[in-house]
Amino acid sequence: AQRVTQPEKLLSVFKGAPVELKCNYSYSGSPELFWYVQYSRQRLQLLLRHISRESIKGFTADLNKGETSFHLKKPFAQEEDSAMYYCALSAPSGGFKTIFGAGTRLFVKA
Amino acid sequence: DVKVTQSSRYLVKRTGEKVFLECVQDMDHENMFWYRQDPGLGLRLIYFSYDVKMKEKGDIPEGYSVSREKKERFSLILESASTNQTSMYLCASSGGKSYEQYFGPGTRLTVT
Repeated sequence: AQRVTQPEKLLSVFKGAPVELKCNYSYSGSPELFWYVQYSRQRLQLLLRHISRESIKGFTADLNKGETSFHLKKPFAQEEDSAMYYCALSAPSGGFKTIFGAGTRLFVKA
Repeated sequence: DVKVTQSSRYLVKRTGEKVFLECVQDMDHENMFWYRQDPGLGLRLIYFSYDVKMKEKGDIPEGYSVSREKKERFSLILESASTNQTSMYLCASSGGKSYEQYFGPGTRLTVT
């Protein structure tokens, strides 16, 4: 079964410190992986997707098929990064459905 | 710019009432979704639709039904609201060959 696991419910770091939000998935084929972000009082929105291999707002995420992981990283956290982050998986076998993880709340302290 | 709108930001209903949540998207997307968002549980899919008049159950369809009479509109119906349906409800859409979903602002429903 398709599953997305985010082991940390809350992650608290100081401004300027590196941050890594963990995401592990279970899927036997080739899924598409995403990170979505929800800032306070804003709607949920796409942050980045693995097929784009891009850096958005300083965040990157590498798909590791061997470890079935898609961790989100940023070398220097900023206060404005404080938000709820969801890792998500979509796959052809699931139609157009997306499976979301439980989410990690990132809190960046000044 | 994709726009997904939901009819209400906040809604308070009584137990047993029939509740309608409306969602409209303006990007001609084929696929539309209803989720509920609860702390510690993430987003759970209630129902989705990949075409007009088509619907598929998600992971937690019990107590809910949906309607999609027009491509741009997807309605979530709580036939008889219960307190355990108090939650944030998110609507989303996607289209073309992309899995990326565009979300509405959410409706916070409280059932008393």
